[in-house]
Amino acid sequence: EDKVVQSPLSLVVHEGDTVTLNCSYEVTNFRSLLWYKQEKKAPTFLFMLTSSGIEKKSGRLSSILDKKELFSILNITATQTGDSAVYLCAYYSGGGADGLTFGKGTHLIIQP
Amino acid sequence: GAVVSQHPSRVICKSGTSVKIECRSLDFQATTMFWYRQFPKQSLMLMATSNEGSKATYEQGVEKDKFLINHASLTLSTLTVTSAHPEDSSFYICSARDLTRTMNTEAFFGQGTRLTVV
Repeated sequence: EDKVVQSPLSLVVHEGDTVTLNCSYEVTNFRSLLWYKQEKKAPTFLFMLTSSGIEKKSGRLSSILDKKELFSILNITATQTGDSAVYLCAYYSGGGADGLTFGKGTHLIIQP
Repeated sequence: GAVVSQHPSRVICKSGTSVKIECRSLDFQATTMFWYRQFPKQSLMLMATSNEGSKATYEQGVEKDKFLINHASLTLSTLTVTSAHPEDSSFYICSARDLTRTMNTEAFFGQGTRLTVV
């Protein structure tokens, strides 16, 4: 059965710390892996990864995919209280007609 | 990025009544939209895939007669929760992808609808 596992499920750090969130997956027909940030409502898109070893970066956030080992990480440097959220990892396993399969998410809390 | 609008954002209904949730793609045409449900502290679970002009495809365990999906146009899909019960209380979110750009494109989400059945 296809699945995605995120770790840790929750994480509490202090402002300024760097965090690494993990996402491992098992899927028959992998197409792309996505990271989302969910605060109170709907998820907001962060990154989409399709190729191994190519880091995607946006400000203090970065992510990379390892298709051989079947995992991805999301890094956040110099964390701020506004980074507190649930970070969701998801994948597409097929074409445009497929929905996303999500992991349970990592609940990140940044303390001042 | 593409915009997906969902309405209403919050609804409270009585047990036994039906509730309709709308999902619109505002600046692109979506032949396919997706409906997810999220219970407290749980992840998003795909309920069904809504196909314009044809029947929706439901995930295992999702009752198609209870969750009616209509994708009447290329920019609108609706989810109707029929004969709602308190256990249907959840956060419902729709999403769509702009496949005119590329097959590999991120999904954009609506704002979600918090349904409470009393």
